[in-house]
Amino acid sequence: EVQLVESGGGLVQPGGSLRLSCAASGFTFTSYWMTWVRQAPEKGLEWVASIKEDGSEKYYVDSVKGRFTISRDNAKNSLHLQMNSLRAEDTAVYYCARETNTRDWGQGTLVTVSS
Amino acid sequence: EVVMTQSPLSLPVTLGQSASISCRSSQSLVQSDGNTYLNWFQQRPGQSPRRLIYKVSNRESGVPDRFSGSGSGTDFTLKISRVEAEDVGVYYCMQGTHWPRTFGQGTKVEIK
Repeated sequence: EVQLVESGGGLVQPGGSLRLSCAASGFTFTSYWMTWVRQAPEKGLEWVASIKEDGSEKYYVDSVKGRFTISRDNAKNSLHLQMNSLRAEDTAVYYCARETNTRDWGQGTLVTVSS
Repeated sequence: EVVMTQSPLSLPVTLGQSASISCRSSQSLVQSDGNTYLNWFQQRPGQSPRRLIYKVSNRESGVPDRFSGSGSGTDFTLKISRVEAEDVGVYYCMQGTHWPRTFGQGTKVEIK
């Protein structure tokens, strides 16, 4: 059974940083692209970033370019999202998903950016 | 970026009746490999999204055959036949052909 478990969310002040993690199990992690998707409170889904199997290609939504970095540790079957210079509009539940077409999803972790 | 436009945004349905959601893309979703990467997701209240349909019309394992997807190019439809109470939630289309990936605004399905 595929399992994706996000962690690292919390309350952070504007301008601050946070690092999200996603522990993956139940599939061959090194064979799949991985993706982060977010959902602001009472809003729709927004794709954030994706990373290729070996980490050699990364893509980001324009609103996070230069501030967020997606990475993966294939030895530990884990995905990460380093978020810097956080803004109020980054407040959302962040989901980890398998594949760029988001085949499987985790339960999400809430990030709140507020003073 | 490719804009995904869903309609309607709200869809009240009677139990047992059918429902259809439209999704239109601002560009063709046919990729160079010949595949069309159009996905449909269901998000029940308080839950994570769940993929129902991939590549326009392929149902995920465990998805009831009441759900069907169709379309081509820039025009796609999700149909729910014989709506049940458990189908209440928000439905999203998402294109996986172009970067950045983009979602539709979501269609809220509720029971009349």
